[in-house]
Amino acid sequence: KQEVTQIPAALSVPEGENLVLNCSFTDSAIYNLQWFRQDPGKGLTSLLLIQSSQREQTSGRLNASLDKSSGRSTLYIAASQPGDSATYLCAVRLTGSQGNLIFGKGTKLSVKP
Amino acid sequence: NAGVTQTPKFRVLKTGQSMTLLCAQDMNHEYMYWYRQDPGLGLRLIHYSVGEGTTAKGEVPDGYNVSRLKKQNFLLGLESAAPSQTSVYFCASSRTVNTEAFFGQGTRLTVV
Repeated sequence: KQEVTQIPAALSVPEGENLVLNCSFTDSAIYNLQWFRQDPGKGLTSLLLIQSSQREQTSGRLNASLDKSSGRSTLYIAASQPGDSATYLCAVRLTGSQGNLIFGKGTKLSVKP
Repeated sequence: NAGVTQTPKFRVLKTGQSMTLLCAQDMNHEYMYWYRQDPGLGLRLIHYSVGEGTTAKGEVPDGYNVSRLKKQNFLLGLESAAPSQTSVYFCASSRTVNTEAFFGQGTRLTVV
């Protein structure tokens, strides 16, 4: 059974720091991995999608990497801002599945001014 | 630019009552999913659909039913609500099995 783990569960950093969020998964037979952001009481906002054949994706200050063979992905946030405070979730889709996302429990990020 | 819209946003039910949650997407996506999010348990798949007229069970389907009569709509029904169904419900859609998934804003349901 695919398990997705995110460490740490919570992270607090001062504004301006570069930071890395980690995601690991046990089954490397995946279509892709997607990173989401969730603000309190809100829905999930898609940040980046990395296909299994890709190594990384970038969007603005965000960079996500994927090492499928080792079952790891990282989300790098450059020059963090208080507005980046949210819970970040990663999710994978297993090859051969109907595309349902298997989620980690998230990393709650707090960026202090 | 609606994307995925869920109705209602909040609801309080008494035990034993029934209700239907509506998910509507305007992106012509084939795949649609219902998840529930609970503290400590994360997001878990309830039911999903791979196209109009199709539905299938996910990880936690008991107590729920679904229908997809129109491609753009995916309905989640609770026939007899129980306190254990107190949760936040999210609908998602994607064009194919391996393209980007988009989520609605959620429905916060409390069963008393």
